[in-house]
Amino acid sequence: AQSVAQPEDQVNVAEGNPLTVKCTYSVSGNPYLFWYVQYPNRGLQFLLKYITGDNLVKGSYGFEAEFNKSQTSFHLKKPSALVSDSALYFCAVRDFNDYKLSFGAGTTVTVRA
Amino acid sequence: EPEVTQTPSHQVTQMGQEVILRCVPISNHLYFYWYRQILGQKVEFLVSFYNNEISEKSEIFDDQFSVERPDGSNFTLKIRSTKLEDSAMYFCASSGWVDNSPLHFGNGTRLTVT
Repeated sequence: AQSVAQPEDQVNVAEGNPLTVKCTYSVSGNPYLFWYVQYPNRGLQFLLKYITGDNLVKGSYGFEAEFNKSQTSFHLKKPSALVSDSALYFCAVRDFNDYKLSFGAGTTVTVRA
Repeated sequence: EPEVTQTPSHQVTQMGQEVILRCVPISNHLYFYWYRQILGQKVEFLVSFYNNEISEKSEIFDDQFSVERPDGSNFTLKIRSTKLEDSAMYFCASSGWVDNSPLHFGNGTRLTVT
């Protein structure tokens, strides 16, 4: 079984400040980890993934995420948030030998000007 | 950049009616998925499809649901007899090779059952 937890329903930051969105996961084998962003009335847009290799992965729009195996975490980060980063963010995990992606409940990010 | 396209964007139907949600995945992708998102809730897996057959399905995907890839380009989700609780946003997704490629999602079809 695989699952994802996003412990924060909402994250509020001021523009220019660092942004962190937390995610922890559970899988039986090796995890493939993903972050997606959803803007209102739109589908899910892929931001970045961790498959193997460097624990720090860089993705679209200046986002990055750090894979931490011992803490089973994959937190999303951005050094300097923009108002346009305000959206719903989903962490997702897939076991390496599974087809389906399991999503967290989502975290609403609000960046104030 | 290639996109997954879904039609219609919004479908309203009466309880008990059949609906078909349509998707055109990215052309060279091999794996196809349907997910749904009830308003304000998490994105839930429904079904995955590969090589013209269902590879995995969730408990939500009961006998009222079916999927089909009738012509090599379209990928459809049929709900045979809709219930009020089927009201949700339905997302189609596709991916290339399972191991490394992320899922690419369409913009969704909002299904409203009255």
